Amino acid sequence: EPEVTQTPSHQVTQMGQEVILRCVPISNHLYFYWYRQILGQKVEFLVSFYNNEISEKSEIFDDQFSVERPDGSNFTLKIRSTKLEDSAMYFCASRTDRSRQFFGPGTRLTVL
Amino acid sequence: GENVEQHPSTLSVQEGDSAVIKCTYSDSASNYFPWYKQELGKRPQLIIDIRSNVGEKKDQRIAVTLNKTAKHFSLHITETQPEDSAVYFCAASPTGGGNKLTFGTGTQLKVEL
Repeated sequence: EPEVTQTPSHQVTQMGQEVILRCVPISNHLYFYWYRQILGQKVEFLVSFYNNEISEKSEIFDDQFSVERPDGSNFTLKIRSTKLEDSAMYFCASRTDRSRQFFGPGTRLTVL
Repeated sequence: GENVEQHPSTLSVQEGDSAVIKCTYSDSASNYFPWYKQELGKRPQLIIDIRSNVGEKKDQRIAVTLNKTAKHFSLHITETQPEDSAVYFCAASPTGGGNKLTFGTGTQLKVEL
């Protein structure tokens, strides 16, 4: 059964550095999402993406964040200048035109 | 925006007993309600979902009920097994727009032998 994949599984970076988190959504899915989960807390929505543009974003998704679908398979989240509070698990999700969202395994981002 | 409340935060049951987790939502535009199971360090895994045109849905030992008037929905797990131990999250989503999921705060379910 196809699954969403994400790389890397763990990223350690210094505060102020740029990071790019990568996702490969399920191939026939049309809608893509990034969520984050701070350790021990609930999953929080960051951004949704459809037809090569952002369809909705949360207040967390400020100017330091950007998303891109650089080719037909990858979907990336860039954090331009990481802060300590960006440390979290970042999940990519995708769905078809139905509502079910399927999550990737996550990237654990640690900002030192 | 949408706000989803979830109770209890922890739930401990004996193997074979039933477990019930309850959620309430605030936005009447929400009409899709999935439940996710998350084991430690793993991805949230969709276990069951319900749309607003249905009041109840069942899949083997798992069932979900929805009361749109009261804006609450519940997950019922019968005949619990140790492998049901995990964190369970409810979520709500409107159709249209980005269809973002707003999650509850999670319930740590522990099934004891």
